[in-house]
Amino acid sequence: TQLLEQSPQFLSIQEGENLTVYCNSSSVFSSLQWYRQEPGEGPVLLVTVVTGGEVKKLKRLTFQFGDARKDSSLHITAAQPGDTGLYLCAGAPVRTRGSARQLTFGSGTQLTVLP
Amino acid sequence: NAGVMQNPRHLVRRRGQEARLRCSPMKGHSHVYWYRQLPEEGLKFMVYLQKENIIDESGMPKERFSAEFPKEGPSILRIQQVVRGDSAAYFCASSPSGGAGNTIYFGEGSWLTVV
Repeated sequence: TQLLEQSPQFLSIQEGENLTVYCNSSSVFSSLQWYRQEPGEGPVLLVTVVTGGEVKKLKRLTFQFGDARKDSSLHITAAQPGDTGLYLCAGAPVRTRGSARQLTFGSGTQLTVLP
Repeated sequence: NAGVMQNPRHLVRRRGQEARLRCSPMKGHSHVYWYRQLPEEGLKFMVYLQKENIIDESGMPKERFSAEFPKEGPSILRIQQVVRGDSAAYFCASSPSGGAGNTIYFGEGSWLTVV
């Protein structure tokens, strides 16, 4: 069973601060996605990383996939109250013959950015 | 997550009744996934379907739960004889055939409350 551990579980910071959220596993994933979920809504895809060592930037968000494709991080620069939400990482299994593409989700990091 | 349509958004059922949740995937997507999010827990994979085929149902409870994705019409997640422990948010997601990096897109969810 593939497991993804996210840390920290909760994070409360002031507007303007920087933060990093981690997603770790002992398993290798073919790709990893980051989602943000707000109360009463579904997860919204932020980014997909596929290649080991890959770095993707989305405005103030920087996503990195570990070299061994076992871990990932999300760094937010100058956080704003609008960044508040539940951040979820999800790993896709390495494809083998007959395997399906179900994602394994981390338990999430609840981020609160205070004005 | 625009495009994946789920209904109803909220459903209240008494213990022992049946719940039917519907999901229309994004246009052009032929792969559908159902996930469940229990209170204070992460998203857990339930079932993966293509048109008229169940590809992977390894996350489905063995009893009372069933899913289908007919040739015409939405995918249906059916829960018979609901119990209080079935209260959760049920998310449908879809992906195009051969989607790069196994990226899937979520709907806004159906919140089931069993009273």
